[in-house]
Amino acid sequence: AQSVTQLGSHVSVSEGALVLLRCNYSSSVPPYLFWYVQYPNQGLQLLLKYTSAATLVKGINGFEAEFKKSETSFHLTKPSAHMSDAAEYFCAVRRDDKIIFGKGTRLHILP
Amino acid sequence: NAGVTQTPKFQVLKTGQSMTLQCAQDMNHNSMYWYRQDPGMGLRLIYYSASEGTTDKGEVPNGYNVSRLNKREFSLRLESAAPSQTSVYFCASSEGLYSNQPQHFGDGTRLSIL
Repeated sequence: AQSVTQLGSHVSVSEGALVLLRCNYSSSVPPYLFWYVQYPNQGLQLLLKYTSAATLVKGINGFEAEFKKSETSFHLTKPSAHMSDAAEYFCAVRRDDKIIFGKGTRLHILP
Repeated sequence: NAGVTQTPKFQVLKTGQSMTLQCAQDMNHNSMYWYRQDPGMGLRLIYYSASEGTTDKGEVPNGYNVSRLNKREFSLRLESAAPSQTSVYFCASSEGLYSNQPQHFGDGTRLSIL
């Protein structure tokens, strides 16, 4: 069964520093993978998705993620953090007729 | 460009009361979903509807019922609310169950059961 594991329920970075949010998936076949962002009191918004066309996927707001099959990872990065990036981030994988979400990582931006 | 609209945004109930959460989407999507979000638990699927006229149980269906009223609307009903159902509820829609297209979410209903 496919699932996702997000390492770190809370991550803090300084404004301007690299953002790295980790996601590992378990899958026996190439998966469909997604990253979502949730701002306070809002629903989830799609940041980016991997559908096997390219291993490096660019998303909105300067985020990107790299699919590494050998490491079963799909980590989310952004070169320079901005205060507006403070939010909760969810990695997700499609499993049959459902999307399975990780437990989320809350990103804190330090001034 | 409304997307997915949920009503109400907030609700407080007493134990044993019933209520229906409403969800409507204007993207002509075939599939719709109800999730609950609890701290540290991520999103858990309650029920989903592959297409108009069909519904299926998700991970945590006990205590809930759903109705796919038409292609646009998918409601979630709590027949006898319990404190364990205090949560934030999200409705989502997508083109199809097996599509690589993502789900689109509403802004949620914050429900407290006293």
